Amino acid sequence: GAGVSQSPSNKVTEKGKDVELRCDPISGHTALYWYRQSLGQGLEFLIYFQGNSAPDKSGLPSDRFSAERTGGSVSTLTIQRTQQEDSAVYLCASSLSVLGTNYGYTFGSGTRLTVV
Amino acid sequence: AQSVTQLGSHVSVSEGALVLLRCNYSSSVPPYLFWYVQYPNQGLQLLLKYTSAATLVKGINGFEAEFKKSETSFHLTKPSAHMSDAAEYFCAVSDQTGNTPLVFGKGTRLSVIA
Repeated sequence: GAGVSQSPSNKVTEKGKDVELRCDPISGHTALYWYRQSLGQGLEFLIYFQGNSAPDKSGLPSDRFSAERTGGSVSTLTIQRTQQEDSAVYLCASSLSVLGTNYGYTFGSGTRLTVV
Repeated sequence: AQSVTQLGSHVSVSEGALVLLRCNYSSSVPPYLFWYVQYPNQGLQLLLKYTSAATLVKGINGFEAEFKKSETSFHLTKPSAHMSDAAEYFCAVSDQTGNTPLVFGKGTRLSVIA
């Protein structure tokens, strides 16, 4: 597609429920990144994919968080048993390759998750 | 490991005044440095980047930044602020291999007063 698409744009869920956040990167971009943005905390790196592989999962905050990418395209970030501290904006970005710092990242508009 | 520190979580300037947003980096290897802008309810947009070519980098919307190794700084400037510049600005760093994802600062919110 023309840009990075994230869905849903807003999600309100009850504490303890599971949620799935979707990211559809720019066609042809092999690298995909997930960040979490909390008020006053900047962007926190969660995980990145090169193709379907995730070389670096060190940013995932707990084992309740997981992510996958299929077909080198769409990625899903899953949060199990959501907690109130999971409330944040989840941003996805893609780039031509893992050397994306040379090309720059293209960000989606994010999914705003609210856990009540 | 790389990190960036943005001085001032909120900066307020008058329309037409100089914009100066500060960023200092920490890196054990030569870094690549970036400035991104985020408008309300939108994702981040690349303003400019330093990738070891010219130390003075010009970006979109009249912004520029200068890489100063001796000061480990990469401050963002614009000679004359417009109302449309009001947004959140993020500085980010990576190593030159590109093998590590960007590390972002906490952001600086710029307000422009008419």
